[in-house]
Amino acid sequence: EVVLTQSPATLSLSPGERATLSCRASQSVSSYLAWYQQKPGQAPRLLIYDASNRATGIPTRFSGSGSETDFTLTISSLEPEDFAVYYCQQRSDWPRITFGQGTRLEIK
Amino acid sequence: EVQLLESGGDLVQPGGSLRLSCAASGFSFSTYTMSWVRQPPGKGLEWVSGISISAASTYYADSVKGRFTISRDNSKNTLFLQMNSLRAEDAAVNYCARSITTFDYWGQGTLVTVSS
Repeated sequence: EVVLTQSPATLSLSPGERATLSCRASQSVSSYLAWYQQKPGQAPRLLIYDASNRATGIPTRFSGSGSETDFTLTISSLEPEDFAVYYCQQRSDWPRITFGQGTRLEIK
Repeated sequence: EVQLLESGGDLVQPGGSLRLSCAASGFSFSTYTMSWVRQPPGKGLEWVSGISISAASTYYADSVKGRFTISRDNSKNTLFLQMNSLRAEDAAVNYCARSITTFDYWGQGTLVTVSS
């Protein structure tokens, strides 16, 4: 099973700041990595697929990068609605799909 | 507009059974693979099961294999998850999601509670 480790567990920043979230895979997943955003009481929302492609309707302040085992989700300038939990997910080891444990982005 | 609406969640005793449903609309259901993903209260996401377009192929996480069965009715645009031999650790919000690889649309979830 591919284990995804996200860091940090919690990130405290202010609106307008840049956020950098990390996801590390226990083995190469090529570029088969996605990022999701989840707000309290809501379902996850797809942000990025295949490491760097924004999903439909996702603002350009969200960007993804990386390959093999190291991936980054960057939010260039935080808006109030961006404070949420973010998960990475791999499909390289399909059908054994796995998620990271999540990074909580909170307002400082 | 793509919509996925889950139902069927409930309080069930350990060892009991439950059948979840997911009604799909706003897209051509019969041309998409589908999945169930769950989230225990206060915890992270876990992929549970996936199904091919024709239902000829089904896939399960090791944690539910042999206990859960995924199915679909393309004539009714509905996805199902039959959950048997439920355990305390199966308690979770269960989401249906479009696709079996990258989940581009999710329902709002239905809560399964397992307790005596």
